[in-house]
Amino acid sequence: DAKTTQPPSMDCAEGRAANLPCNHSTISGNEYVYWYRQIHSQGPQYIIHGLKNNETNEMASLIITEDRKSSTLILPHATLRDTAVYYCIVRANNNAGNMLTFGGGTRLMVKP
Amino acid sequence: DAGVIQSPRHEVTEMGQEVTLRCKPISGHDYLFWYRQTMMRGLELLIYFNNNVPIDDSGMPEDRFSAKMPNASFSTLKIQPSEPRDSAVYFCASSLGLAGGVTDTQYFGPGTRLTVL
Repeated sequence: DAKTTQPPSMDCAEGRAANLPCNHSTISGNEYVYWYRQIHSQGPQYIIHGLKNNETNEMASLIITEDRKSSTLILPHATLRDTAVYYCIVRANNNAGNMLTFGGGTRLMVKP
Repeated sequence: DAGVIQSPRHEVTEMGQEVTLRCKPISGHDYLFWYRQTMMRGLELLIYFNNNVPIDDSGMPEDRFSAKMPNASFSTLKIQPSEPRDSAVYFCASSLGLAGGVTDTQYFGPGTRLTVL
């Protein structure tokens, strides 16, 4: 899987949008971008994923650049419960394995 | 569905003892994964199963670790003998499929926090 680069930490004010960047400059054409988060003392939680197009669900939006070398996860109205470590992962859509390789992630602190 | 269930949630044992961690995946999921999380190494994939068959155990640290999946609704991760460096949080996850997209989303259990004294 391609390697990703994320800032180690970010702060966000409660109620504001949290924009979490991720660089994946070596991503291949068949690799998806996945985002998971891990709230303290819990298991990782799936947020969203995409291939080329921007995606939105009830949790977040995912913006992928046209060259697919980077993406941004957007939490439109961050709450204190969104404080967590956010992991950006790229993985291939193939049968060689359903591997999620977790890097260091971004520790998001939402402040009142 | 109750999600992925793991037991026990916390385990404290002494060095040299056998430890067995248990996992019940989400019903209907064909893939089951075991991960380990430590401060030093982050989240690491240890092994995964497809339809109860181990597919890739290259992440298993050494022969002291073994995993089984006797049926579609149950898996164990065993450490024998345990050592202090095995102290970590162990997560089990499951997914419907493999092919990418929605079906391969992994759902994680709450984890087992293992402390080996």
